[in-house]
Amino acid sequence: ETGVTQSPTHLIKTRGQQVTLRCSSQSGHNTVSWYQQALGQGPQFIFQYYREEENGRGNFPPRFSGLQFPNYSSELNVNALELDDSALYLCASSRLGESDQPQHFGDGTRLSIL
Amino acid sequence: RKEVEQDPGPFNVPEGATVAFNCTYSNSASQSFFWYRQDCRKEPKLLMSVYSSGNEDGRFTAQLNRASQYISLLIRDSKLSDSATYLCVVRHKGNTPLVFGKGTRLSVIA
Repeated sequence: ETGVTQSPTHLIKTRGQQVTLRCSSQSGHNTVSWYQQALGQGPQFIFQYYREEENGRGNFPPRFSGLQFPNYSSELNVNALELDDSALYLCASSRLGESDQPQHFGDGTRLSIL
Repeated sequence: RKEVEQDPGPFNVPEGATVAFNCTYSNSASQSFFWYRQDCRKEPKLLMSVYSSGNEDGRFTAQLNRASQYISLLIRDSKLSDSATYLCVVRHKGNTPLVFGKGTRLSVIA
């Protein structure tokens, strides 16, 4: 058990819709990172949140946005869904400053776009 | 060119075999290195960190060659339960994001 929880587990949406995915970080962790893993690929970094602000972003368009709350939990929002957004979305929490520590992921949310 | 390159496999090996995976990375500023294991339709899970001096955890041995920017994972006495995708992962300095390879698929056959 990593202590990182994600919801929902699975989600089916249609093109053009909007989706919100949620992540609760491990106790004591203040940073949340989101990754997208398409079928047959390794996870790709979307963005990271620290102290409720975006603290780094990968090569994803602005329709991917996020929030972090005072309790360090986080949301990933995707607008105007496209078929290529179908993927496993992974959340990992960590503590800023512990740079040598690996990240541990939640179970992920599997998003399917029809 | 991808920042982290792995042979996608699949590697199909009999139980008890020894199998080695290799990985190369392009960014010489990379400072932390890991192997993750991912079962089908599950999240990646940390298998082991990789240190310059090499490190071993039971049947698993990881090696890092900074000069060649090369990482390896050796699995001895393969078990059926070792069947999974193995992801090579690097990180630059600080609390920067993980950079993943595409993974190498291993199937251990009875």
